[in-house]
Amino acid sequence: AQKITQTQPGMFVQEKEAVTLDCTYDTSDPSYGLFWYKQPSSGEMIFLIYQGSYDQQNATEGRYSLNFQKARKSANLVISASQLGDSAMYFCAMRESGANNLFFGTGTRLTVIP
Amino acid sequence: DGGITQSPKYLFRKEGQNVTLSCEQNLNHDAMYWYRQDPGQGLRLIYYSQIVNDFQKGDIAEGYSVSREKKESFPLTVTSAQKNPTAFYLCASSIGIRTTNEKLFFGSGTQLSVL
Repeated sequence: AQKITQTQPGMFVQEKEAVTLDCTYDTSDPSYGLFWYKQPSSGEMIFLIYQGSYDQQNATEGRYSLNFQKARKSANLVISASQLGDSAMYFCAMRESGANNLFFGTGTRLTVIP
Repeated sequence: DGGITQSPKYLFRKEGQNVTLSCEQNLNHDAMYWYRQDPGQGLRLIYYSQIVNDFQKGDIAEGYSVSREKKESFPLTVTSAQKNPTAFYLCASSIGIRTTNEKLFFGSGTQLSVL
């Protein structure tokens, strides 16, 4: 079974609007961390936001927030006030306790329309 | 500036040839990783290293080899045994490897193509 599922291959959003990128995960480990990365066309993966499984509040980092619904095993990324520079691939990832690496989803390509 | 440097940015391999991708970090991180990225797929782990002179296979290690002789360096060799090497290769590092909040820092990648 896939540990991380991103069901939206591509998304479009109007500049200055908000957009939600979906991510669901699968784990039986009670302790885990969830990450979102941005990959612009240059190729480098840029860390955006982190949510721990025991965190009571949803994580926020500037215009990025993570809508964490533990019972549904979802960790959606919300980008507010979209900018043209937000156009990129976005990857959701998870690290389980004791795991030696991150598991990545297949990504969502976001295009911001002027 | 601290970071991860990958070179070259583009690399071409001939049939039967081994090629080596360079990865250097000056973040003083203990752990380093190599990922492969194919179009439409997520990142898949090739090898990782927690400390110098130690490394472990990831999910798709066949046809690849690594070394970790220095903390700063983690080169990846794509051998002739790797029959489908065309992909984008990303090197990453993290402070450690044991906690769930260990985020990865990435280099800018190497695009490997077969001639």
